[in-house]
Amino acid sequence: EEQLAESGGGLVQPGGSLRIACAASGFTFSDHYMDWVRQAPGKGLEWVGRTRNRINSDTTDYAASVKGRFIISRDDSKNSLYLQMNSLKTDDTAVYYCVREISISRPRGLFVDYSYYMGVWGKGTTVTVSS
Amino acid sequence: SSELTQDPAVSVALGQTVRITCQGDSLRSSSASWFQQKPGQAPVIVIYDGNKWPSGFPDRFSGSSSRNTASLTITGAQAEDEADYYCNTQDSSGKWVFGGGTKLTVL
Repeated sequence: EEQLAESGGGLVQPGGSLRIACAASGFTFSDHYMDWVRQAPGKGLEWVGRTRNRINSDTTDYAASVKGRFIISRDDSKNSLYLQMNSLKTDDTAVYYCVREISISRPRGLFVDYSYYMGVWGKGTTVTVSS
Repeated sequence: SSELTQDPAVSVALGQTVRITCQGDSLRSSSASWFQQKPGQAPVIVIYDGNKWPSGFPDRFSGSSSRNTASLTITGAQAEDEADYYCNTQDSSGKWVFGGGTKLTVL
């Protein structure tokens, strides 16, 4: 069974740093794009960022709200995804979800088109930024 | 604009049909996914690639799209369908964007 388990959440002061992790099991982690999505208390879902897979050089994208402060990394040997959060603000208080993207391939003549969707979600870890 | 707009709340009588919509320019070129979230739980995918549903999920959920609008239709709504529903898609730069969510109440 595919599973994602987040850990490392907690209370941190404004301006501080925290690293949260996601342990993956039940699928070939290194093959997949992975994302972080967050949800502030009583609010909707907000995409934080993603890391592509090894074939795509583990490149990353970030939402404008966290770019320059958060860093996503992965360790395929440990089937783990990480989110390093720096210069934390009270607005960063949220449940952080680890998400596996699933790819859909469509043949187009001699080529193949790929699209993605957020197929598997972890249960989340809570990060509270407060003094 | 890369924003997705959803109605904040929708209600449906038990056993009736309800449509939840999601509007945004990104939907003209990228298909939508829909997620169900119940209180205290993580979101769960209910529709992907615009109109496909994961194996094991009830087929009373269906998806469709037209121009800049994606829709999630629940045919014969059940009490257990009461939840928040979110749409998402990728914008022109490949970044993910979510709608603000729709709270569905089953009366």
